[in-house]
Amino acid sequence: DAKTTQPNSMESNEEEPVHLPCNHSTISGTDYIHWYRQLPSQGPEYVIHGLTSNVNNRMASLAIAEDRKSSTLILHRATLRDAAVYYCILISSGSARQLTFGSGTQLTVLP
Amino acid sequence: DVKVTQSSRYLVKRTGEKVFLECVQDMDHENMFWYRQDPGLGLRLIYFSYDVKMKEKGDIPEGYSVSREKKERFSLILESASTNQTSMYLCASTNGGGHTYNEQFFGPGTRLTVL
Repeated sequence: DAKTTQPNSMESNEEEPVHLPCNHSTISGTDYIHWYRQLPSQGPEYVIHGLTSNVNNRMASLAIAEDRKSSTLILHRATLRDAAVYYCILISSGSARQLTFGSGTQLTVLP
Repeated sequence: DVKVTQSSRYLVKRTGEKVFLECVQDMDHENMFWYRQDPGLGLRLIYFSYDVKMKEKGDIPEGYSVSREKKERFSLILESASTNQTSMYLCASTNGGGHTYNEQFFGPGTRLTVL
C-alpha cells in the first residue's frame, strides 16, 4: 500500500472545527482513503473513507484534493471525546486485506 | 450495537507458558484478524481468517498460531510465550469477500505482559 504522511500532533479548542491533513502523493487509482481513530486504551475505530468525492457522515467529513494526493479529515465541532490518535490509511481494492497503520496524528482538544 | 469482544483486557504470563487470546464477534462477519500494536511500529498483522477453519499468515506469524472452529470466534495462541511478545493484541472483523474498503470493527484489545 502507498505511504501516507501526517503531522505527529495537533491541538484544537473545544467546539471549534479541526482539520487533520494527510499527504499521499504516491496514491494509485485503486486506493481508497480511510481514516480510523484510536482513543486511549481502546481499539481503533473506523471514522470515514472515500475514493474521489468528498464524503460526509455523522462523525466527520472527508475532503479529497482533486489530484487525490492529499486529503483532510474535518471534525466540525471538536469535543473532549475526540481526543485520539487519527490514522490516515490507503487501501487498494486489489490488495491484501489487512490494515497497515502508521504513527498517525495525536489530536489534543483543549477545554 | 455491533460488538467485537476479547477475553481479557490485561494478561500477565510467564516465559514458556502457552497463552490463549479469544475474540468473538456478533456481526456474522466472514473475515477476522489478529494484530499486535507496539509503540513506533504501528499495527502489524499476525494472522487472518476469511472463513471457518481457514487461516492465512500475516506479516509476523512466527511464534503464533490461530484457530477458527466457529464463524464468530477467532483464537490466537502463543505456543511458548516469550518476553518479545509483550504487546497490545487487537482483534478485528469485517464482512464481505475480504474487500479492504469495508469497515473493520476492532475489539478493545488485550495488553499482554510476558515476564
